[in-house]
Amino acid sequence: DTTVKQNPRYKLARVGKPVNLICSQTMNHDTMYWYQKKPNQAPKLLLFYYDKILNREADTFEKFQSSRPNNSFCSLYIGSAGLEYSAMYLCASRPGTGEDTQYFGPGTRLLVL
Amino acid sequence: GDQVEQSPSALSLHEGTGSALRCNFTTTMRAVQWFRKNSRGSLINLFYLASGTKENGRLKSAFDSKERYSTLHIRDAQLEDSGTYFCAARSGGNYKPTFGKGTSLVVHP
Repeated sequence: DTTVKQNPRYKLARVGKPVNLICSQTMNHDTMYWYQKKPNQAPKLLLFYYDKILNREADTFEKFQSSRPNNSFCSLYIGSAGLEYSAMYLCASRPGTGEDTQYFGPGTRLLVL
Repeated sequence: GDQVEQSPSALSLHEGTGSALRCNFTTTMRAVQWFRKNSRGSLINLFYLASGTKENGRLKSAFDSKERYSTLHIRDAQLEDSGTYFCAARSGGNYKPTFGKGTSLVVHP
């Protein structure tokens, strides 16, 4: 199975409420990424896990949290959603060996009202 | 500053014609990947290159690390090729690919 799965596919959240997005892959990939994608913009890297090490981007450090309890699973957590969080959230994974390709999941479309 | 400059930002093609998308890099990149955004908003992998060229059907990609660029050629464009194309590149030892801003391609009859 060479797919990256994301749940839910669509999420409606209220301002100020928490949001938890889930990503999984069974390819035994070392690295898992979370991107935020807004219309007419390049995907913006939020954070990534290399094995068990979490790397968060400086400008999103306090806004997003993540956990990776095992190799296959990675979550993205927003403690208090704001209107500006409305976007597509893309999860990707990357093997540690061989062709160094990123594989993207189908995305979760988050709408904050 | 931006490490990946993608051009053009928008492209219009007649069905059956072709063109090239390009990404220039401001630093030496180790590898490049090309994606197409599908109708649901996710990114579909087209090519991964660490060097040289790859071809798949009507698509062909090239990557020159020394000259700091990559191209994606589309020939005999079809209506279903319409969409947004992204390149993403990473420098050596860096696990964080940098994306270009995308090329919005419209193929019309």
